[in-house]
Formats: sequence, structure tokens, C-alpha cells
Amino acid sequence: DAKTTQPTSMDCAEGRAANLPCNHSTISGNEYVYWYRQIHSQGPQYIIHGLKNNETNEMASLIITEDRKSSTLILPHATLRDTAVYYCIVRPDKAAGNKLTFGGGTRVLVKP
Amino acid sequence: GAGVSQSPSNKVTEKGKDVELRCDPISGHTALYWYRQSLGQGLEFLIYFQGNSAPDKSGLPSDRFSAERTGGSVSTLTIQRTQQEDSAVYLCASSIRLGPNSPLHFGNGTRLTVT
Repeated sequence: DAKTTQPTSMDCAEGRAANLPCNHSTISGNEYVYWYRQIHSQGPQYIIHGLKNNETNEMASLIITEDRKSSTLILPHATLRDTAVYYCIVRPDKAAGNKLTFGGGTRVLVKP
Repeated sequence: GAGVSQSPSNKVTEKGKDVELRCDPISGHTALYWYRQSLGQGLEFLIYFQGNSAPDKSGLPSDRFSAERTGGSVSTLTIQRTQQEDSAVYLCASSIRLGPNSPLHFGNGTRLTVT
């Protein structure tokens, strides 16, 4: 199953776009890229997922490179409430994909 | 609409006692999952259900842990003879169906403290 590599931590400026990178160089065929975040003392929150095409919803945009070996989650206007741990997860298209396997994530601090 | 609901939100128990944790999934979601997160640690998969069946219970740490789901809805995670290392936040999630194109939606968990 494809592994992901994310920065351990990053700071972002309030009101600016936050660009969170993720490498998944061993991703294959029909594996989905998922993003979740976990704000302190809460359960993980689903943000967005995609397969090949870029995706956008009310929370964020997901940009997946053409070779699918990396992706970027974009929070268009970061607020202090976006401070959280962000998880990039590759989800296999076989039985193992029936669950999510979380890694270490990126600890994002949005600063005023 | 209503999200995944877990109860109790906090539970303190003495070592050796049994505990039951409850999860109410989002209405209409056929798949249900249990995870746990120890202090400062990552999320650890425990078990998932499709309907009332558990195709994958590979993450249950020992035979003191069991889970059931009835009526394709509510699930209960039971820990027998609790130990201090069982202290963690137990998280439940549900998805509309199994499969990699179906996002999981999590509750806010039950914080279990074993004294």
C-alpha cells in the first residue's frame, strides 16, 4: 500500500492561502488521496478526497499532480480555527481500502 | 444533519472493571468503524462492520476487547477487565458504504481513563 510523506509541522498566516504538501510516490492505479484534519480534543474531520482530477469543495481544494505522485491541499483563506493536525492518506482500492490508515500528519499552526 | 454520536463522552473506571462504549452512526450509513487514540499517539484501527458483520477485526488488541452491531445501526465496544494501558480516546466513524470512494465521518470520541 502506498505510503505518504508530509512535513512534520508548518506555520501559516491568517487570511492567506495555506498550501499543505503530500508525497505519495508509490501510489498506484485506483488509490484515492484523502485529507482529514484533527483539531485538538475532537475526532478527525473529513476535508476532501480525489482520484485523478483536482477537487474543490466548501472547505478546500485538492491539487493532484499529473503523475499522481504528490498532492497539495489548499485552504484558500486560513483562519485561526484551521490550526490542526492535517493527515494525507492514500486509500487502496482493495480490501485494505475499506478502512483508513493514519500516519503522523502535519501539525499546522495558523498565526495572526 | 446529525453526525456520529458517541456516549459517554468521558468515562473513568477502576482497573479490572468492564466498560461499554456506544456509537450511533449517521442514519443510513452501512459501514461503522472503531479506532482508538492514546495520548499523543496516532489513530489506531480496531474493527469495522458492514451491516452487522465484522469482516476485519484485526486491530482489536486482545481478547478483552469485543464489539457488536445490531440492527445495522448502533454499535457497542466492550472492554473487559480494563487495564491502565486501555486509557485512550475511542473514536467511532461511519460511512455510507464500504470502499475507498466513501469517506469516513468521525464522532468526537469517548475518553476512557482507567485508574
